[in-house]
Amino acid sequence: EPEVTQTPSHQVTQMGQEVILRCVPISNHLYFYWYRQILGQKVEFLVSFYNNEISEKSEIFDDQFSVERPDGSNFTLKIRSTKLEDSAMYFCASGGQGYYNEQFFGPGTRLTVL
Amino acid sequence: QKEVEQNSGPLSVPEGAIASLNCTYSDRVSQSFFWYRQYSGKSPELIMSIYSNGDKEDGRFTAQLNKASQYVSLLIRDSQPSDSATYLCAVNIRTVKLSFGAGTTVTVRA
Repeated sequence: EPEVTQTPSHQVTQMGQEVILRCVPISNHLYFYWYRQILGQKVEFLVSFYNNEISEKSEIFDDQFSVERPDGSNFTLKIRSTKLEDSAMYFCASGGQGYYNEQFFGPGTRLTVL
Repeated sequence: QKEVEQNSGPLSVPEGAIASLNCTYSDRVSQSFFWYRQYSGKSPELIMSIYSNGDKEDGRFTAQLNKASQYVSLLIRDSQPSDSATYLCAVNIRTVKLSFGAGTTVTVRA
């Protein structure tokens, strides 16, 4: 069964450094998302991406964040100048053809900012 | 008012019993409703989606939607120890993004 994959599974970085989180969505999906979950808190939406552009972003997704689909398979989240409060699980998700489609989550990347 | 609210739990049920999880949402025009299961340290796993009023059954899981009451529920029949997890209610509220509830942690006692 197709699944969303993410790398790395765990990323440790120093405050102020840049990180890139990578995702390979399910191959025939058109919608791509990033969510995050701070330990003990609920899952929060960051950004959605459709037709090679951001379709929606949350207040969290400020200039520190960017997304890119550099080729036909990868979808990346870049976090510039990381802060301690960026420590969280970051989940990539992808969805199919429809606007209100089911979203399937990858295993996540645990980001630890020291 | 929170966009999506779930009964806080934790919910403890004996093996073989029915676990009942509830979720309410704030926006009447919400279109799509999902239940995810999340094991500790893992990612959300989609277990049910429901779009129309009424019941939807899939194996031991039944989702119930009542748009007039802005209420969606999940029943887990014949609960098993492997069902012990946090269950997340998620809703599309006017946009593609999912708004999640805080989750209800279920423990099934053997």
